[in-house]
Amino acid sequence: SQQGEEDPQALSIQEGENATMNCSYKTSINNLQWYRQNSGRGLVHLILIRSNEREKHSGRLRVTLDTSKKSSSLLITASRAADTASYFCATDEGGRGGSEKLVFGKGTKLTVNP
Amino acid sequence: KAGVTQTPRYLIKTRGQQVTLSCSPISGHRSVSWYQQTPGQGLQFLFEYFSETQRNKGNFPGRFSGRQFSNSRSEMNVSTLELGDSALYLCARGHGNRGEKLFFGSGTQLSVL
Repeated sequence: SQQGEEDPQALSIQEGENATMNCSYKTSINNLQWYRQNSGRGLVHLILIRSNEREKHSGRLRVTLDTSKKSSSLLITASRAADTASYFCATDEGGRGGSEKLVFGKGTKLTVNP
Repeated sequence: KAGVTQTPRYLIKTRGQQVTLSCSPISGHRSVSWYQQTPGQGLQFLFEYFSETQRNKGNFPGRFSGRQFSNSRSEMNVSTLELGDSALYLCARGHGNRGEKLFFGSGTQLSVL
């Protein structure tokens, strides 16, 4: 079953604009991760936020986590055409930790128009 | 670089056949996990191996099996292929042993006709 659910399913913006994607999950977690996937390729890890963190930054990425609402958001600032990809949130399952079993959401397909 | 090599990149099979996919993490990484990605179900966990032992298994039928060798290379086998097995199969290695960050290979795109 899918634990993480992203919204929107698709997002189309202009270069230079900010893109915000949201993710909700169902169970307790140790951490939440965001991954990016270019069409038909493997996933690339973007950022990880632990359950005791509320916000994290990495370059143009900003992730927030609200464990009380079981939700997270990914903000990409000053978007570029090269940011066009699908973005997935992923959580460890049940908070046991130490496992590579991640539960992925269905993703947000981001299109950045030049 | 992800440090995960998957072969083959594309594969076409017919219903009823079986298929074996290969995954090689870079030297020294003992953990490997497999995921299936389809448009309908998204990314779903298949198996996880650590030092040749299956550590975790997803909710897939027994037709899906895997193993890991002493050199950390892993294989995934699907027997009696069904049309619904058409998917992108992704292999990943963990970051150290904690699985907090996965490095994915480029995947094997399997088409079942």
